[in-house]
Amino acid sequence: DGGITQSPKYLFRKEGQNVTLSCEQNLNHDAMYWYRQDPGQGLRLIYYSQIVNDFQKGDIAEGYSVSREKKESFPLTVTSAQKNPTAFYLCASSKLAGANTGELFFGEGSRLTVL
Amino acid sequence: AQSVTQLGSHVSVSEGALVLLRCNYSSSVPPYLFWYVQYPNQGLQLLLKYTSAATLVKGINGFEAEFKKSETSFHLTKPSAHMSDAAEYFCAVSDKTGANNLFFGTGTRLTVIP
Repeated sequence: DGGITQSPKYLFRKEGQNVTLSCEQNLNHDAMYWYRQDPGQGLRLIYYSQIVNDFQKGDIAEGYSVSREKKESFPLTVTSAQKNPTAFYLCASSKLAGANTGELFFGEGSRLTVL
Repeated sequence: AQSVTQLGSHVSVSEGALVLLRCNYSSSVPPYLFWYVQYPNQGLQLLLKYTSAATLVKGINGFEAEFKKSETSFHLTKPSAHMSDAAEYFCAVSDKTGANNLFFGTGTRLTVIP
């Protein structure tokens, strides 16, 4: 079945450590996204990528980094510079912007807790 | 700029009662509008979408929404709530220009009382 796979589902990190969250899709979608979700704040866009080897910052990119070396993969690194990294992280994908009605397909999320 | 406002962060209904979740949008161009549902510790799933065809949109699980341009609203309804409807619901708007074009509301948590 086509879909988006995020791993790990739960992750614990000590302060000062970088962690990388994996996101893989087999929907043949061109665009991929990372959102952060905090209680009562909805979803906030961290980074997005429309094509391989290209990505743009979203609204809250500070303290995060991404790469897009393959169409199927869009990993997110939460660096030690991110001041409040404990959150639920959602990866999503969509068709290329020109044919995009705005519909996103989401993974099941990764919950990061900083100890 | 596009934005959505969801009125009520928490809504409680009795099982079998009408579900009404409110969403008002702001958009400088004719929008595409979406409702997504999120169950605990899961990703978001599309319930329904409005893309400038019929103003009354039917979605999955018996939900529907009506696009009202004069009221800039896209409220979500279901005639009879079921226990399995308990979840968080997000309204979103797209201006159809570019990949970074989906703006989410802050969500409404629906509780269904047996």
